[in-house]
Amino acid sequence: SAVISQKPSRDICQRGTSLTIQCQVDSQVTMMFWYRQQPGQSLTLIATANQGSEATYESGFVIDKFPISRPNLTFSTLTVSNMSPEDSSIYLCSVGGTSSGRAGGDTQYFGPGTRLTVL
Amino acid sequence: AQKITQTQPGMFVQEKEAVTLDCTYDTSDPSYGLFWYKQPSSGEMIFLIYQGSYDQQNATEGRYSLNFQKARKSANLVISASQLGDSAMYFCAMDSSYKLIFGSGTRLLVRP
Repeated sequence: SAVISQKPSRDICQRGTSLTIQCQVDSQVTMMFWYRQQPGQSLTLIATANQGSEATYESGFVIDKFPISRPNLTFSTLTVSNMSPEDSSIYLCSVGGTSSGRAGGDTQYFGPGTRLTVL
Repeated sequence: AQKITQTQPGMFVQEKEAVTLDCTYDTSDPSYGLFWYKQPSSGEMIFLIYQGSYDQQNATEGRYSLNFQKARKSANLVISASQLGDSAMYFCAMDSSYKLIFGSGTRLLVRP
């Protein structure tokens, strides 16, 4: 499986500021995703990061709040903009497209996550 | 719409015993994948095991096996010979159109 790193691993931020999270993969991957995990909750998909085009956002998530970049097949960033305490979560990137040819499902591998606290 | 249900918020198991974590799913797609992930307190998501909807046999990976009952739409995870390091959150997930939908998770505590 691919080796995935995220920076920063954790941060404490002030209300109204923005934070950019980086996700780096050690090999080219087709799919990259960003998830949010609020305290005590499960994971929710924010968006699919598309290389060379705008990200595809899930219902309830908008580009102005969570702008995403993916300049190449190994790197993506997620920005959490104009933060409020409700944005305190673990943010995880994942990669897929590494199980080509397997019918019915493609395993996603996750980065170590970024633990964000907004005061 | 696709949905994953995990009805056990928390489970206890004695060290060296086996434990089953329940997962049921709902989908109208004929082709799908089912996954289990482990999340320790550190927060990382660790892939454990995969089962494809067309797979004839139950998946196994070391001490992990998946009890797949397609007609009942269940995909229970069985952990054999539990170890203290197995204490964590466990999430069942389903893949459809390359997106993962997660259940609410089960917190497993292994007692020495």
